[in-house]
Amino acid sequence: EAGVTQSPTHLIKTRGQQATLRCSPISGHTSVYWYQQALGLGLQFLLWYDEGEERNRGNFPPRFSGRQFPNYSSELNVNALELEDSALYLCASSLLNWGYQETQYFGPGTRLLVL
Amino acid sequence: DAKTTQPTSMDCAEGRAANLPCNHSTISGNEYVYWYRQIHSQGPQYIIHGLKNNETNEMASLIITEDRKSSTLILPHATLRDTAVYYCIVRLGNQFYFGTGTSLTVIP
Repeated sequence: EAGVTQSPTHLIKTRGQQATLRCSPISGHTSVYWYQQALGLGLQFLLWYDEGEERNRGNFPPRFSGRQFPNYSSELNVNALELEDSALYLCASSLLNWGYQETQYFGPGTRLLVL
Repeated sequence: DAKTTQPTSMDCAEGRAANLPCNHSTISGNEYVYWYRQIHSQGPQYIIHGLKNNETNEMASLIITEDRKSSTLILPHATLRDTAVYYCIVRLGNQFYFGTGTSLTVIP
């Protein structure tokens, strides 16, 4: 069974541009989470999507947004890129069972570099 | 607000058991304890989770104290490939809070 996949693996942008990151969850999983991990730091929760709806978001500005498609894959969009947006962006997926998240399984991440 | 406290770093000799502690003194009755590890900027890998009872799988054992205020992840025979950052996480409802973790170095 395939795990969580993310694309691209690396992305280089300049300040002010927009970045689009993609995630495909494990087959059967309906929930997708996005996390940001800046160099040397822990994971910071960004967004949670389930059944196509945004369920929760972390403490990030509105220029971080995303969506979930009918096939449960997801996009993360970062507008007006700033230098401090350079980080590893991780996607995770899980099942939602009786309103509670099951174990999250992570993809390999997309490394975004903003110049 | 990570909800958990872990030592910043630990060393372990190859072949010996690695015991990684975690304090979660504010945990409530229905909150699970999860452990993940991250090997050098790869995606975090799920290890094990538990609620009240001790748990064991092919990767590790999880010992949770009776009052549930702390837990210990045990890697029974550490190998060099176990060198990673280990995260102890309390799942609050549908939210996973990752702290800064423990950097475990397995020494040959």
